[in-house]
Amino acid sequence: EAGVVQSPRYKIIEKKQPVAFWCNPISGHNTLYWYRQNLGQGPELLIRYENEEAVDDSQLPKDRFSAERLKGVDSTLKIQPAELGDSAVYLCASSLAQLNTEAFFGQGTRLTVV
Amino acid sequence: AQRVTQPEKLLSVFKGAPVELKCNYSYSGSPELFWYVQYSRQRLQLLLRHISRESIKGFTADLNKGETSFHLKKPFAQEEDSAMYYCALLSGGYQKVTFGTGTKLQVIP
Repeated sequence: EAGVVQSPRYKIIEKKQPVAFWCNPISGHNTLYWYRQNLGQGPELLIRYENEEAVDDSQLPKDRFSAERLKGVDSTLKIQPAELGDSAVYLCASSLAQLNTEAFFGQGTRLTVV
Repeated sequence: AQRVTQPEKLLSVFKGAPVELKCNYSYSGSPELFWYVQYSRQRLQLLLRHISRESIKGFTADLNKGETSFHLKKPFAQEEDSAMYYCALLSGGYQKVTFGTGTKLQVIP
């Protein structure tokens, strides 16, 4: 079992360019999370999916961020256009669709906007 | 609003010394508390959760609702314990997870 897989691991883009991150959760995990982790901070939830439904996107900056999980498995997170302040590590996590279950994290994508 | 506070950014201890990583929380409901750990170049992973009441790698954490704390403790630090430690709070019905800012534990040989 590879665990939660994210790609790419690193991305450097110029500001105002678009960028997309991909996440493949653990098989059978219906809950998927996207987190953003700024330098020196803990992860902050951007969006949570239950299957293909976004059940909590209150922290997602909807003017430039979008996410999808069309078939309830893989997910993509997009930023368009990127700003300097978007530089961070973007983490994907998944868990079983039950209350209080452990979340398994991917390695993350480190985004640098220059 | 829920909040998790980890007051120490860095905690340095000598090998064999006791460790206590502090975590305080604010939440009006009944919280579920977790400790996650991230070793160098590895992914974030669950260390322990308060409902399990178990010891993992020698670490324990007790939920103190009176003091709203969930401090992580280990009686004798090992070099392999050096890592980033994050305290996290899960709010019941909404399944919202809030992480603290993390504490870097450095165990000096």
